[in-house]
Amino acid sequence: AQSVTQLDSQVPVFEEAPVELRCNYSSSVSVYLFWYVQYPNQGLQLLLKYLSGSTLVKGINGFEAEFNKSQTSFHLRKPSVHISDTAEYFCAVSDPFSGGYNKLIFGAGTRLAVHP
Amino acid sequence: EAGVTQSPTHLIKTRGQQATLRCSPISGHTSVYWYQQALGLGLQFLLWYDEGEERNRGNFPPRFSGRQFPNYSSELNVNALELEDSALYLCASSLYLAGQETQYFGPGTRLLVL
Repeated sequence: AQSVTQLDSQVPVFEEAPVELRCNYSSSVSVYLFWYVQYPNQGLQLLLKYLSGSTLVKGINGFEAEFNKSQTSFHLRKPSVHISDTAEYFCAVSDPFSGGYNKLIFGAGTRLAVHP
Repeated sequence: EAGVTQSPTHLIKTRGQQATLRCSPISGHTSVYWYQQALGLGLQFLLWYDEGEERNRGNFPPRFSGRQFPNYSSELNVNALELEDSALYLCASSLYLAGQETQYFGPGTRLLVL
């Protein structure tokens, strides 16, 4: 069964510094990968997704992620963070060939705290 | 275009009662997913409905059930509530097209069981 590991539960960073949130998934022939963000007391907002094609995916709010099949990773990056980026970030995977159902498997989440 | 909507935003119940949560998908989406986000347990898949049928369920007891209506909106019912059912319940909708699918989430219903 698919699993997702977010290697850092919390990432503190200063404003305008770069940040990388790490995500690894268990191996499969082919997967779809997603990053969602959850602001306090809100639902999940899609940041970006990898379905196929270019391994570098650009999303909203200046975030990007790189799909690395050999390392089974999908790390999220932003070159310069803002205070407003403070939130919980979830990496998720779905296996489009998993017998006809497409539930998302989520990582435990990484809390990004941006300090002034 | 309106996103996924959920109601109510908050719900307080006592042990043993029943809770009903509602979800309206994005217009044109035929699939609805339910997830539970409980403290310390992360986001867990509950149920998937597509075209009015339950397609799959996660590792939850039968007292978690639901349905999808002809307009593709969905209802999640939790019977015989237990304290550990306290969580944020998230609904997502999607449209499976050309072999690809992306789930879009609503704001959630926060259920508190006392």
